[in-house]
Amino acid sequence: DAKTTQPTSMDCAEGRAANLPCNHSTISGNEYVYWYRQIHSQGPQYIIHGLKNNETNEMASLIITEDRKSSTLILPHATLRDTAVYYCIVRVLYNFNKFYFGSGTKLNVKP
Amino acid sequence: GAGVSQTPSNKVTEKGKYVELRCDPISGHTALYWYRQSLGQGPEFLIYFQGTGAADDSGLPNDRFFAVRPEGSVSTLKIQRTERGDSAVYLCASSLEALGGNTGELFFGEGSRLTVL
Repeated sequence: DAKTTQPTSMDCAEGRAANLPCNHSTISGNEYVYWYRQIHSQGPQYIIHGLKNNETNEMASLIITEDRKSSTLILPHATLRDTAVYYCIVRVLYNFNKFYFGSGTKLNVKP
Repeated sequence: GAGVSQTPSNKVTEKGKYVELRCDPISGHTALYWYRQSLGQGPEFLIYFQGTGAADDSGLPNDRFFAVRPEGSVSTLKIQRTERGDSAVYLCASSLEALGGNTGELFFGEGSRLTVL
């Protein structure tokens, strides 16, 4: 599976949009982009995934560049409860295989 | 609840002892994963089961680590002759892996925190 690069940490003001970038320049055509987050002392939680089209659900939006070499996870109105480590992962769907988590981005939402 | 359940939540043991960590996946989930997470790091893959068989055990660090899933549901991670470096949170996840129509989402448990003194 392709490697991803994320900033180590980011700050965001409560109520503002949080934009978390991810670089996956070696992504292959059949690899999806997944985002998970891990709130302190909990297991990781699925947020969203996509292949090439932008995706939106009740938690977030995922914007994937046209060349698919990078993506951005958007939390439209960040709250203090969104403070967590966010992991960007690329993986072949139906590969019955592991997810490589990397070190993720620590998002600090501040009042 | 209906989520992934892991026991014990905390385990303190002495160097050289044997440890078992249990994972009860979501009912009906055919895929089960074990990950290990050290402080400040992302989860690190250990082993993956599809049904009863270990489909990929490439992440197990050495032969002191072993995992089973005899009936395709509950799994046990076994660590022999524990070392201080084994101290970590051990996470279990399950997934409904099937061709077509699934998101590939993993559902994680809260983890078992292992401390080896």
